[in-house]
Amino acid sequence: SAVISQKPSRDICQRGTSLTIQCQVDSQVTMMFWYRQQPGQSLTLIATANQGSEATYESGFVIDKFPISRPNLTFSTLTVSNMSPEDSSIYLCSVDDTGTGGYGYTFGSGTRLTVV
Amino acid sequence: AQKVTQAQTEISVVEKEDVTLDCVYETRDTTYYLFWYKQPPSGELVFLIRRNSFDEQNEISGRYSWNFQKSTSSFNFTITASQVVDSAVYFCALSEALSGGSNYKLTFGKGTLLTVNP
Repeated sequence: SAVISQKPSRDICQRGTSLTIQCQVDSQVTMMFWYRQQPGQSLTLIATANQGSEATYESGFVIDKFPISRPNLTFSTLTVSNMSPEDSSIYLCSVDDTGTGGYGYTFGSGTRLTVV
Repeated sequence: AQKVTQAQTEISVVEKEDVTLDCVYETRDTTYYLFWYKQPPSGELVFLIRRNSFDEQNEISGRYSWNFQKSTSSFNFTITASQVVDSAVYFCALSEALSGGSNYKLTFGKGTLLTVNP
């Protein structure tokens, strides 16, 4: 199955600043997904990133706040812009690795973001 | 819309007890996948199982077993002889097709926090 390297693993940021999270996959995948997990909550899909096209955002998430890049089939970034304490969450990227011998959706190890 | 309900918010057991985590789902799709993930305190999501909607066979993997019943839209997870290392949040999830294509996103339940005490 696919292996995902997600960076940074955690960060503490000042409000008003931006943080870019990177995900590198060890195999080529068509779709990458970005999720947010607020403290004590479940995971919510932010957007779906397809290589070579604009990301598709879920209701409640906008590109200005969460710009995504997908320059190739193994890499994607999510930026959390103009952060506020409400953005404190775990952010996870995910891929469907059934096409690469996996059994389902593999997740990165997550980025634990605290905004102060 | 898809929905996954994990009615048990928290469960606490003593080591070696068996424990069942409940999952009930709603979907209008005829083809879908169900998943269970484990999230230990470190935060990463660990894949446990995927089951497609056409395969209602129960599955056993070591101390883990899953009971999928389409008639009741349930996909329950049982841990036999629980261990302290099983302490984690467990999520049930349902795949649904994204609009306009065959790619799927996951809808997660709220999770069940399992604490296994020594």
